This record gives sequence, C-alpha cells and structure tokens, in this order.
Amino acid sequence: GAGVSQSPRYKVTKRGQDVALRCDPISGHVSLYWYRQALGQGPEFLTYFNYEAQQDKSGLPNDRFSAERPEGSISTLTIQRTEQRDSAMYRCASSLARQGQMSTGELFFGEGSRLTVL
Amino acid sequence: RKEVEQDPGPFNVPEGATVAFNCTYSNSASQSFFWYRQDCRKEPKLLMSVYSSGNEDGRFTAQLNRASQYISLLIRDSKLSDSATYLCVVNMRDDMRFGAGTRLTVKP
Repeated sequence: GAGVSQSPRYKVTKRGQDVALRCDPISGHVSLYWYRQALGQGPEFLTYFNYEAQQDKSGLPNDRFSAERPEGSISTLTIQRTEQRDSAMYRCASSLARQGQMSTGELFFGEGSRLTVL
Repeated sequence: RKEVEQDPGPFNVPEGATVAFNCTYSNSASQSFFWYRQDCRKEPKLLMSVYSSGNEDGRFTAQLNRASQYISLLIRDSKLSDSATYLCVVNMRDDMRFGAGTRLTVKP
C-alpha cells in the first residue's frame, strides 16, 4: 500500500507475555519513528531510526522495550514481560528526512497498534 | 519541565470565532516547528510548518518567537470541521517531539 502500515491493529495480551508490533513505512522513507499515545495525550516519543541505525532510544521507558529495523525498512517494536501500564496506542511514523539534514517535518503516521495488557 | 508544553484546553468556541493556541518549548537549539492536527481516534497529520517570519495558510496563521521559545496558531472564522486536537511539534535535527495537544470544539 501507499501509506504506513502497522500490525496488528489490536493486540490483547496477558501480563508477562512478550509482544511484537510491526511497522512497514512508506517505500523510500529514510526515517522511522515510534511513539506511544495514551488517551487524551499527545504522542510520546520512544525511538527513531535513520535507515537501519537507531539514532535515539532515549524515549524507551525501560529495558523491556526494544526496537529494530535491520534492513532499513520494516521495523519491530518489542515489549518483553508486558505490564498493565504498557497498555496504549503505539504509533509508527515515517518521513523522507535524510540523516544529518533537517526534516521537512511531515511525518506520515500509520493507524497504530492498540495494545491492551490484562 | 516538559520539552513541549501546550494548554490542554478544551477550547469550546462558536462557529466564526477566532481562537489562538500557544506552545512553549524547552530546548533553545530546536530548529524547526510544526502544527499537526489529530481527529478523534485518527492518526496525527501535518497542518502547517511554522517559520520565523510567521506564515499563513488560509484561515490559519502560525508564528514563532525564538527568543521566548514560543509558538502560536491562530484560527480565524472557525468552522465545525476545525474541531480536533492541535499538536505542537518541535524538531531538533530529526528528533520530533510532540506536545500533549489542545482540544478544540467548534459549536454551531
């Protein structure tokens, strides 16, 4: 498809299970971002990549969260040993920004993956 | 202090009203600035960039004050379809940080 694709759209899991959320960015987009959004709040930055390189992971809440983008395209956000407080909408976005250059600011978001931890 | 701060609102205004939103940012090295719009249960989408000289796009005017680390968005002649959450976004190099958003409801 032409847009950013995220899967699964909805994930319900039990506390303690691991989950993997996938993002397929727009073809040719260099930068890929992961955000978490709670109801009524703005997107909270988690991490981002230029190509396959993870540029900034300062927003990852703790070491249960990790992300990878091994071939510079599809990315996976993994949450290990999920906790109820991890429940949120996880949003992926991509942009044409090139490494070391100013971004145009246009991030294209996917529809998100809604995670519910019971 | 949060990196990007906005008044959460909500702002409830009648059609035709003029409404202004403000945003402050903490990092003086921030290089570019944007307003995004997010409709209920949808993903955020770019509304407009914010330039140092100020810029206008139809009924929308954005302004930047680097000295005060302050960004604003003015909406004139509000329409029902303007009802949404408006997100202030600050970019330092390629690291895009969002504010919590300001909720606007335009009523008939």
